[in-house]
Amino acid sequence: KAGVTQTPRYLIKTRGQQVTLSCSPISGHRSVSWYQQTPGQGLQFLFEYFSETQRNKGNFPGRFSGRQFSNSRSEMNVSTLELGDSALYLCASSPQTGGSYNEQFFGPGTRLTVL
Amino acid sequence: AQSVTQLGSHVSVSEGALVLLRCNYSSSVPPYLFWYVQYPNQGLQLLLKYTSAATLVKGINGFEAEFKKSETSFHLTKPSAHMSDAAEYFCAVSEAGNQFYFGTGTSLTVIP
Repeated sequence: KAGVTQTPRYLIKTRGQQVTLSCSPISGHRSVSWYQQTPGQGLQFLFEYFSETQRNKGNFPGRFSGRQFSNSRSEMNVSTLELGDSALYLCASSPQTGGSYNEQFFGPGTRLTVL
Repeated sequence: AQSVTQLGSHVSVSEGALVLLRCNYSSSVPPYLFWYVQYPNQGLQLLLKYTSAATLVKGINGFEAEFKKSETSFHLTKPSAHMSDAAEYFCAVSEAGNQFYFGTGTSLTVIP
């Protein structure tokens, strides 16, 4: 099976702009989670989608939003970009086997730089 | 909510020496625990996982971890470090609903 793919891999934006990142999960995986990774804060959970519904949400401002499509592909959007949004954004997908254990499979990430 | 603490943001070992990366978690229920590795400019790759079966878990690349409930720990070890082990290591705990909580990571340097 193909792994988790994220596009684009690199982005450069300026303050005030908005950006959309895309994630295609592993075939058959219905859960997609997003994380922001920065050197100072480590991995911070943004949100998780399952069957097109946001199931969990981290502590981020409303400028960060996401959605999931019927084919489980997911997008996240950041509006009114700030310098502090520069980070590696990671997407992870999980099979949903019915139990509470779900291994997450990560994509390579999108490196966002805000100037 | 659960949490994960990784003691030591940077660890250096000599090639061939024992690798020990520490992870402690807080959980009110039996947890699912994971160790991930991240190489530069890449995503995270699963090293091993604990899902309430054997307390000693073996993973890829010679790594293993032991779940100790009394100490709420899940430390990662490897008997002999290799240069290729240099990377960032993350411990994570999962609860129902697929939310993961990650530690802040430990950067491993291997000295030749």
